[in-house]
Amino acid sequence: GESVGLHLPTLSVQEGDNSIINCAYSNSASDYFIWYKQESGKGPQFIIDIRSNMDKRQGQRVTVLLNKTVKHLSLQIAATQPGDSAVYFCAENGGGFKTIFGAGTRLFVKA
Amino acid sequence: KAGVTQTPRYLIKTRGQQVTLSCSPISGHRSVSWYQQTPGQGLQFLFEYFSETQRNKGNFPGRFSGRQFSNSRSEMNVSTLELGDSALYLCASSLGQGAAPNEKLFFGSGTQLSVL
Repeated sequence: GESVGLHLPTLSVQEGDNSIINCAYSNSASDYFIWYKQESGKGPQFIIDIRSNMDKRQGQRVTVLLNKTVKHLSLQIAATQPGDSAVYFCAENGGGFKTIFGAGTRLFVKA
Repeated sequence: KAGVTQTPRYLIKTRGQQVTLSCSPISGHRSVSWYQQTPGQGLQFLFEYFSETQRNKGNFPGRFSGRQFSNSRSEMNVSTLELGDSALYLCASSLGQGAAPNEKLFFGSGTQLSVL
């Protein structure tokens, strides 16, 4: 069935380093991908999105890369800060008014 | 503009009881989605509503139901609660622009349900 997964369940980085969180998706018909950040006690919060007609999109300190050939998505966070510590979810929307979420990666930022 | 509001924030029930959770979307948003979040299963899609109509439903038993009102507010109900229903239930809203599914979701803080 449809699935969106993550390669690494946890990631620990030093403050100031760059972070890369990876995600694999299985539905080749998906045409919209989103990254969400969830902090403790809160619901997921939108970070950045990308449509299937793009390979790369940049935001403030974040970049999303999409490789449709291997069905891979990644989130890059530049100069990671303690406030970036959270669980990150990739999500996929291929129509049907349903967004499918991956398992999540917990990011720890060491000061 | 106020965000997505979910009530109650915490709920404790016993097995066999039923529960109703409420969600008020962002003003102007017409689509409401519900998710169940557990440590082991992550975020699982329950259902999505737009203009009082359920447009999609996830793989959950019939004990899980929902509805949407004319003001876009939504409720979900779980009947005959089981221990495994303990989870964080998240509501998300989006504009719901017609047939365009490519919209980011805005989430509430969720209702933490504990079934004893």
